Amino acid sequence: GNSVTQMEGPVTLSEEAFLTINCTYTATGYPSLFWYVQYPGEGLQLLLKATKADDKGSNKGFEATYRKETTSFHLEKGSVQVSDSAVYFCALMESGYSTLTFGKGTMLLVSP
Amino acid sequence: EAQVTQNPRYLITVTGKKLTVTCSQNMNHEYMSWYRQDPGLGLRQIYYSMNVEVTDKGDVPEGYKVSRKEKRNFPLILESPSPNQTSLYFCASSGAGGTSTDTQYFGPGTRLTVL
Repeated sequence: GNSVTQMEGPVTLSEEAFLTINCTYTATGYPSLFWYVQYPGEGLQLLLKATKADDKGSNKGFEATYRKETTSFHLEKGSVQVSDSAVYFCALMESGYSTLTFGKGTMLLVSP
Repeated sequence: EAQVTQNPRYLITVTGKKLTVTCSQNMNHEYMSWYRQDPGLGLRQIYYSMNVEVTDKGDVPEGYKVSRKEKRNFPLILESPSPNQTSLYFCASSGAGGTSTDTQYFGPGTRLTVL
């Protein structure tokens, strides 16, 4: 079956530090890949997505590249802000299906 | 404003007392889904619906029921709640049958505690 593995958190960074959150996946086909963000007390919001190999998704300074050869979709940001503190979920959806398979989430804490 | 709403946002109940969590979306989306979020387990799908009167089980459907009588509403029913259903529940919706190119929009969540 499909699965998503994310690095465990919390990830603790100082403001303006570089962020990487690792995500790898297992899927039988060619899924689309997503990063969702959950701010405290809120629901999930789509941060970025990529639908095929070598695509790069980007939004709000975050980016992730769909690497089929390493089955990875690592999230990066060059300079984090306190407002980026949240839980980040990597997810996949198989082509032709409608179910999102989520990783367990990675909490990011950014201090001033 | 395009949104997915859930009610109630917080609920404390007792074992065996039937409850319904409502979900409504105003985006005319065909696809709707329920997830539960538990510490260390991430989000797991409970049920989903591709359109009115079309529902199917997700990964963890035991103890839950759903119905889709109208396009905008997708209530989650717990006929006899048990403590292991204490969780944070999210409703989500997307257009075009929830295909992999569509964004799923999530509600704000319902925190349920079953004593």
